[in-house]
Amino acid sequence: QQPVQSPQAVILREGEDAVINCSSSKALYSVHWYRQKHGEAPVFLMILLKGGEQKGHEKISASFNEKKQQSSLYLTASQLSYSGTYFCGTMNYGGSQGNLIFGKGTKLSVKP
Amino acid sequence: GAGVSQSPSNKVTEKGKDVELRCDPISGHTALYWYRQRLGQGLEFLIYFQGNSAPDKSGLPSDRFSAERTGESVSTLTIQRTQQEDSAVYLCASSWTSGGSQFFGPGTRLTVL
Repeated sequence: QQPVQSPQAVILREGEDAVINCSSSKALYSVHWYRQKHGEAPVFLMILLKGGEQKGHEKISASFNEKKQQSSLYLTASQLSYSGTYFCGTMNYGGSQGNLIFGKGTKLSVKP
Repeated sequence: GAGVSQSPSNKVTEKGKDVELRCDPISGHTALYWYRQRLGQGLEFLIYFQGNSAPDKSGLPSDRFSAERTGESVSTLTIQRTQQEDSAVYLCASSWTSGGSQFFGPGTRLTVL
């Protein structure tokens, strides 16, 4: 079951904050976050396991709410380099032990 | 090598031809994944290999698609009798273990005329 990401797109000014959400209709075992810049391959940001929260980058953090079956990615004091499409990938209980199902992505544009 | 490599970087083929895409994962990574990304779209899971276990082929869109992996190294994705809707970027990723962070290759851009 593909997770749902929101918003689909967001435009920020440098220094502003943003939140990207990822929701699943099934119980989540883990959530991965990736960023893809235009014309490039996705790059791993962080992984969240059940009951945990892990910061992968200085001003980019995430939370994982097992009960609500959702994760949120927080981008603080955004920089131009944060621009790109953010994907969450989820691993569900009972699913294949290893493969991720990715959401459709959230396009983030940071303007000067 | 230092990262995941894929070849060719670009492939243009005629409808009905077979194509073979190659992926070299990071040395030591036991898990390997193939994804398809159509223009402006998300990542569509195709197939997943973990060590010597049977691969998870649940994402392959049709029997024209197949993939193999030699031990814990190179993988090839084969598309037979290509169709125009197969045009996309095919991404390969690998990870240390099942469920771990995935490192992506640069992708192969396939264009079917």
